[in-house]
Amino acid sequence: DQQVKQNSPSLSVQEGRISILNCDYTNSMFDYFLWYKKYPAEGPTFLISISSIKDKNEDGRFTVFLNKSAKHLSLHIVPSQPGDSAVYFCAASAQSNTGKLIFGQGTTLQVKP
Amino acid sequence: NAGVMQNPRHLVRRRGQEARLRCSPMKGHSHVYWYRQLPEEGLKFMVYLQKENIIDESGMPKERFSAEFPKEGPSILRIQQVVRGDSAAYFCASSRGTLNEKLFFGSGTQLSVL
Repeated sequence: DQQVKQNSPSLSVQEGRISILNCDYTNSMFDYFLWYKKYPAEGPTFLISISSIKDKNEDGRFTVFLNKSAKHLSLHIVPSQPGDSAVYFCAASAQSNTGKLIFGQGTTLQVKP
Repeated sequence: NAGVMQNPRHLVRRRGQEARLRCSPMKGHSHVYWYRQLPEEGLKFMVYLQKENIIDESGMPKERFSAEFPKEGPSILRIQQVVRGDSAAYFCASSRGTLNEKLFFGSGTQLSVL
């Protein structure tokens, strides 16, 4: 029972263009969403988060959009850089659920120079 | 300002042996989480601990797995009588609190069971 889904295993974009990574969830109790980035042989590092009371959060080149009615969120990276090449995980949590995160399967982003 | 420290980075065990994975949270963090990542999959929650207490172990296998976070020292994830299916990357994360707190992850322990 996959509560958080990232349906695209991989994405390839050209340097300077926009990268859009998508994530869907099924549990309506989720009220906090995060994106993590992971390089091989390293732990995930936090990128950006959004609370369910908002529909957009921006931090530099990274913007997360939340569509609660569709139970969908997306991460936009503009402009994409080769150093952004990594695996991106979407995660969700519910305040009532001790704060543990439920992760998607990840999307491997490759940014080509 | 050290981050979350996990050791060992790599651990090789034969079937039937015990594996002990250690995690020291970030300074000032009293909440510890363990996650497991199987090949080609996302991270799966295993257990959430505070000092001397297991808060949520809903993701832990019923047998052979245990976790602790003593008053002094690191958190330990213990796997008894390992089997090949236990081979995975085990990540520890810590946070200061639980309300909309982002987790900081360690670099993980890669467990290989021969």
